[in-house]
Amino acid sequence: EIVLTQSPGTLSLSPGERATLSCRASQSVTSRHLAWYQQRSGQAPRLLIYGASNRAKGIPDRFSGSGSGTDFTLTINRLEPEDFAVYHCQQYHSSPGTFGQGTRVEIK
Amino acid sequence: QVQLVQSGPEVKKPGASVKVSCEASGYTFTSYDINWVRQAPGQGLEWMGWASTHNGETNEAQKFQGRLTMTADTSTNTAYMELRSLRSDDTAVYYCARSPRLLRPSALDIWAQGTMVTVSS
Repeated sequence: EIVLTQSPGTLSLSPGERATLSCRASQSVTSRHLAWYQQRSGQAPRLLIYGASNRAKGIPDRFSGSGSGTDFTLTINRLEPEDFAVYHCQQYHSSPGTFGQGTRVEIK
Repeated sequence: QVQLVQSGPEVKKPGASVKVSCEASGYTFTSYDINWVRQAPGQGLEWMGWASTHNGETNEAQKFQGRLTMTADTSTNTAYMELRSLRSDDTAVYYCARSPRLLRPSALDIWAQGTMVTVSS
């Protein structure tokens, strides 16, 4: 099973700042089968990025994904108040489709 | 609009079974697999498995094999997840989420609101 490690665990930033979140895989995630999800407090997750760098429908362009192999990054430019949430990465290349433990982006 | 709606919260005793439903609307049901993901209180997400709404094929994580059954009823556009021999560490919010069948493997693009399952004596 592929283990995903997200860092940092918590990111404290102010609105307008840039957030950089990391997701490292224990084995190569081939075909860039890596997704990012946002989960606001008390809500279900929402797909942000699939295929490592493709924004899902309706996702603002301040969200971007990059990376390949074992190292992936989610960048959020100019944080808006609604962006403070928990972010999860998931690899769906091999079964089971494992998730990272999540990164919380909180207001500083 | 496209949506998935799950059944309500459940409280079960250890050793019992729970069956959660997930009703789809706003899209062609058989074009998407239904995945099941759970989240224990204060914890991360855990993928449990998926079920094809097209032909009934399933793929579950090894830790759930023998305890988990995932099905889909195309007459009502509803998927079901049954977990048996419940333990206290099965206490979690259970989510269903869809993924495109023809693009398998694929990310989970629409999620339901979740169902809280509490296992307690």
